[in-house]
Amino acid sequence: IAGITQAPTSQILAAGRRMTLRCTQDMRHNAMYWYRQDLGLGLRLIHYSNTAGTTGKGEVPDGYSVSRANTDDFPLTLASAVPSQTSVYFCASSPGIRDSNEQFFGPGTRLTVL
Amino acid sequence: AQSVSQHNHHVILSEAASLELGCNYSYGGTVNLFWYVQYPGQHLQLLLKYFSGDPLVKGIKGFEAEFIKSKFSFNLRKPSVQWSDTAEYFCAVIRSNYQLIWGAGTKLIIKP
Repeated sequence: IAGITQAPTSQILAAGRRMTLRCTQDMRHNAMYWYRQDLGLGLRLIHYSNTAGTTGKGEVPDGYSVSRANTDDFPLTLASAVPSQTSVYFCASSPGIRDSNEQFFGPGTRLTVL
Repeated sequence: AQSVSQHNHHVILSEAASLELGCNYSYGGTVNLFWYVQYPGQHLQLLLKYFSGDPLVKGIKGFEAEFIKSKFSFNLRKPSVQWSDTAEYFCAVIRSNYQLIWGAGTKLIIKP
């Protein structure tokens, strides 16, 4: 069982370019999340999805978009990357949105925007 | 705004020392609290969680945490640390809309 996979592992991107970070889970979890991790700030939620077909905004959604066409995939798109989006991005999933559910994390994508 | 504070950004200990990492949250209602750990080169994983009942919760690898409602705290403890406990530790609290709010993390280095 792979759990959650993310691609790419790392990427260097020129400012203004479009980029999609991929996330796939094989646990049939309903809820999925995208976080960014920045030094001294911990993890901040970008977008989330409670179930396939629905998405919601987290704490820092500006400049990012997501889609949830099916249960397994939850891609994160940067339409026009800016240097402040340099960060480590983590995808996570949980069985549902109930507060008792543990979140399971992917290995992360390290993104550098120049 | 709801927030989670972790008091120490970096902690360095020798093996066999006792560990306590502080975590305070600002939220007056019912809370669900978590500690996650990220070992070098590995995924974030759950260490322990508190939802209700006994305020002293035990997690994996000998870790425990105590929920003290009056102090808005959920400190992580381990009586005797090992070199393999070197990692970054994150405290988190569930918001009313089921979203996690995270602390900034504490990097723990254990000297062999």
